[in-house]
Amino acid sequence: AQTVTQSQPEMSVQEAETVTLSCTYDTSESDYYLFWYKQPPSRQMILVIRQEAYKQQNATENRFSVNFQKAAKSFSLKISDSQLGDAAMYFCAYRSPPGVSNFGNEKLTFGTGTRLTIIP
Amino acid sequence: AAGVIQSPRHLIKEKRETATLKCYPIPRHDTVYWYQQGPGQDPQFLISFYEKMQSDKGSIPDRFSAQQFSDYHSELNMSSLELGDSALYFCASSPDYNEQFFGPGTRLTVL
Repeated sequence: AQTVTQSQPEMSVQEAETVTLSCTYDTSESDYYLFWYKQPPSRQMILVIRQEAYKQQNATENRFSVNFQKAAKSFSLKISDSQLGDAAMYFCAYRSPPGVSNFGNEKLTFGTGTRLTIIP
Repeated sequence: AAGVIQSPRHLIKEKRETATLKCYPIPRHDTVYWYQQGPGQDPQFLISFYEKMQSDKGSIPDRFSAQQFSDYHSELNMSSLELGDSALYFCASSPDYNEQFFGPGTRLTVL
């Protein structure tokens, strides 16, 4: 079974600065998907960024980027120019590739989360 | 854009009662996932459906059952509720294997 580890329960960063959240995972699969989800106080789960394991290029979405190290099974999230609205719990998640004929079993396995605080 | 709808948003039940949570996926999404997030916990996968058939099962108690209907909405039925069932229950839908779109969740409180 796949496992996802987030070793930083809490992080804080000064507004406008850059912060990196860590995530490692364990899998025997060669093709998979990795995600970062943000959960603000509203508890809504919001997708931040997605990375396909077969892609060597790191994903980027505006101020959010990842450092995907497949051999090391590491998937960190970098938030640049931190804003007050970035304050939230951040979950790293792993998803297996789809089966050839069995869609629907691509459940997400989450890490325990990192609570990010933005200091004004 | 249409989002995943969950109802009710909040539910309070007594121990040993029954609860039914509903999920309405985004139109044309044929896959539904249910997750349970306890206080201070990460979401845990319960069960999923693809084209109205159960496709995967996680750590879902035997007291819970679920199904997906012909209109693709899904219901999670929870019987003999326990205090430990108090949690946020998410439904997510997906049109393919790329991304799961989460609903706002149903907060269940068992007294």
